[in-house]
Amino acid sequence: NAGVTQTPKFRVLKTGQSMTLLCAQDMNHEYMYWYRQDPGMGLRLIHYSVGEGTTAKGEVPDGYNVSRLKKQNFLLGLESAAPSQTSVYFCASSTQGRGNQPQHFGDGTRLSIL
Amino acid sequence: GESVGLHLPTLSVQEGDNSIINCAYSNSASDYFIWYKQESGKGPQFIIDIRSNMDKRQGQRVTVLLNKTVKHLSLQIAATQPGDSAVYFCAENMRQAGTALIFGKGTTLSVSS
Repeated sequence: NAGVTQTPKFRVLKTGQSMTLLCAQDMNHEYMYWYRQDPGMGLRLIHYSVGEGTTAKGEVPDGYNVSRLKKQNFLLGLESAAPSQTSVYFCASSTQGRGNQPQHFGDGTRLSIL
Repeated sequence: GESVGLHLPTLSVQEGDNSIINCAYSNSASDYFIWYKQESGKGPQFIIDIRSNMDKRQGQRVTVLLNKTVKHLSLQIAATQPGDSAVYFCAENMRQAGTALIFGKGTTLSVSS
């Protein structure tokens, strides 16, 4: 079972560069999420999607954009990378519900901005 | 500030002991809580969840207790094993953002044999 797959696993960028993080899930989940995790911290929500073609802002959305063109994919973009965006990024998905469904996570993308 | 937090950042136990990891939450409107386990270099792994209409739920070697009066959540691990060593996070649903979760900062559990 693949579950939630994130690519790439590691990336180093220079300040000002752009890139897209890819997330794919094969569980037919309606909801998908992007979180960031900084040292000693829990996960903080960046953006999320409740269905194909929809996106919404989370707790820390600034500097990021997302797209959900296909139900199984959720893309996170950094338009102009900054050192403050150095972090581990996790994608998650869950089935449709009133907040009562566990989220399933990928293994993360470790991103360093120099 | 954090809506969900943990009492201790680290917990060290001996193999075979029972472990108790605590979590306090501040949002009385939250109705769903989850415990995740995160091993080094991995994403959070679902352990157990509980809805606000329950006080206790049991899984395999794990029990979650919910005390809504004092807004406290705990995870009990029976007969702790070295493989249980990880960071444990509690999370609550963020109702104003659909099904998204608010995570605490985590407790690192170290099991020595």
